[in-house]
Amino acid sequence: DAGVIQSPRHEVTEMGQEVTLRCKPISGHNSLFWYRQTMMRGLELLIYFNNNVPIDDSGMPEDRFSAKMPNASFSTLKIQPSEPRDSAVYFCASVPGVSGNTIYFGEGSWLTVV
Amino acid sequence: SQQGEEDPQALSIQEGENATMNCSYKTSINNLQWYRQNSGRGLVHLILIRSNEREKHSGRLRVTLDTSKKSSSLLITASRAADTASYFCATDANTGNQFYFGTGTSLTVIP
Repeated sequence: DAGVIQSPRHEVTEMGQEVTLRCKPISGHNSLFWYRQTMMRGLELLIYFNNNVPIDDSGMPEDRFSAKMPNASFSTLKIQPSEPRDSAVYFCASVPGVSGNTIYFGEGSWLTVV
Repeated sequence: SQQGEEDPQALSIQEGENATMNCSYKTSINNLQWYRQNSGRGLVHLILIRSNEREKHSGRLRVTLDTSKKSSSLLITASRAADTASYFCATDANTGNQFYFGTGTSLTVIP
């Protein structure tokens, strides 16, 4: 299995531009998470999908952030417009089903907004 | 918030020594997991302990859980330079499948 695949791995963009991060979870996993990691705030849960349905998006920082999961094998996290304070590592993770399972992380998307 | 906190924030030890990290959390949980993150990489699962378990071992790792104190500890015995990484605890919300991570302990093992 290829694991959770994220793209791009690195992105540098100018303030005000739209950023789209992509994630392919592990096949058969029915829960997907987006996390953001910064030195100041650590690892924050942004949004959680179960069976492609957003269950909890209370961690999404503001309306500039949106996430979709159109099917079981693809999710996007979009920031529009981006700001320098959005600079962080964004991780996608998937879980095979019910509580008590291991979380499988992608390698992260390193975003720098200048 | 369910977010846990690891203690200490940073730990530096000599190779061969034991490393102990602690995690405290706020509300009831089903499970607690420990993860490792090498610099520039994603998190990797180390061990899971269920709320009805008190201790668990895996190789050089030993995890304890005290639900009355809402705390857990991770012990790495006979540390190696390759153990240098950040270590995080993760708790699941008792009512769902959401996972919340602590702030992490940065471990440096000096050869």
